[in-house]
Amino acid sequence: EVQLVESGGGLVQPGGSLRLSCVASGFTFSSYWMSWVRQAPGKGLEWVANIKQDGSEKHYVDSVKGRFTISRDNAKNSLFLQINSLRVEDTAVYYCARDEMWLIHGGQGTLVTVSS
Amino acid sequence: DIVMTQSPDSLAVSLGERATINCKTSQSILYSSNNKNYLAWYQQKPGQPPKLLIHWASTRESGVPDRFSGSGSGTDFALTISSVQAEDVAVYYCQEYYSTPLYTFGQGTKLEIK
Repeated sequence: EVQLVESGGGLVQPGGSLRLSCVASGFTFSSYWMSWVRQAPGKGLEWVANIKQDGSEKHYVDSVKGRFTISRDNAKNSLFLQINSLRVEDTAVYYCARDEMWLIHGGQGTLVTVSS
Repeated sequence: DIVMTQSPDSLAVSLGERATINCKTSQSILYSSNNKNYLAWYQQKPGQPPKLLIHWASTRESGVPDRFSGSGSGTDFALTISSVQAEDVAVYYCQEYYSTPLYTFGQGTKLEIK
């Protein structure tokens, strides 16, 4: 069973930064692309970023390019999202997901709130 | 960019009745080399992460009840629940992965019991 535990969210002021983490278990982490997906309060799902198995390819939705950085540590079964220059519109629950083109979610997400 | 449009935005169905949720894409997501439609469906219940129901437009995930089915090709797709149960109350999303490794979701359809 895919288990993903996200952490690192919190309340931050506009312009601030956070580093989100996701620890994976129940599958061979290093064999899969991984993605981050977010959901603003009361809104729909938005794919944010993904990363190839060895970290050699990374892709982002246009709205976060230059501000968000995805990375991974296969030795620690961990996925990260460094989010800088935060905007009010980045307020959302952030989920990590195993990326097989379709997305396998396994955690409750971590809430990022951007507010002054 | 591919635009995903779901309809309706919400629907209310009586227990045991059929529910159909539509998803239209702005361009074909049928890949000619493998004849596969690059579309997935998810169910999201309140306070929970999304759950994958169907990929390749019609391939049901293991453990998903067979009352859920996916159909369609090219630009027009549907998720059908043949006999709605109380536990099916949720928001349903379609997602294209034709643009892989970039992805787009539909805006969601809320299913309620009448």
